[in-house]
Amino acid sequence: EIVMTQSPATLSVSPGERATLSCRASQSVSSKLAWYQQKPGQAPRLLIYVASTRATGIPARFSGSGSGTEFTLTISSLQSEDFAVYYCQQYNNWPLTFGGGTKVEI
Amino acid sequence: EVQLEQSGAEVRKPGESLKISCKGSGYSFTTYWIGWVRQMPGKGLEWMGIIYPGDSDTRYNPSFQGQVTISADKSISTAYLQWISLKASDTAMYYCARHAVIGSISWSQHWGQGTLVTVSS
Repeated sequence: EIVMTQSPATLSVSPGERATLSCRASQSVSSKLAWYQQKPGQAPRLLIYVASTRATGIPARFSGSGSGTEFTLTISSLQSEDFAVYYCQQYNNWPLTFGGGTKVEI
Repeated sequence: EVQLEQSGAEVRKPGESLKISCKGSGYSFTTYWIGWVRQMPGKGLEWMGIIYPGDSDTRYNPSFQGQVTISADKSISTAYLQWISLKASDTAMYYCARHAVIGSISWSQHWGQGTLVTVSS
């Protein structure tokens, strides 16, 4: 099983600031990496797939990069609605695996 | 519009059985992988298993193999997650999620609203 490790576990930022979230895979997943956002009481929402492609309707302030084992999600200027938990997930191998999540808080 | 409609919250006692459902609409149910994700209280996301309704090919996460059964009825575009004997540790929110690429295991664009399962004596 591919282990996905996210850092930091919690990121404290102010509105308008830049947030950089990291995700590391225990072995190469090529570019088969997705990012999801989850708010309390809601289902996850797809943000990014194929490591860097924004999903439909996702604002341009969200960007993804990386390949192989190292990936980054950047939120260029945090808005109030962006405070949430973010998960990376690899889909290169079964079982699909998520990272433990990064909570972005004010 | 793609929609995944999950069955409602359930409360069961340890040792009881349960089957929850996820009805897909707005797309060809038989041509996309669909699966189940567990989220225990205050914890992260875990893929339990997936099924390809077209031919019922099913993959289980080894962590859940033998603990649950995933099935699908393509005549009514519905996927299921079933337990024979629930444990208190099965208490969680369960999401169904459809993969994005026809015929391939991929990312999940579409998610159900979740079914909360509570197991308590």
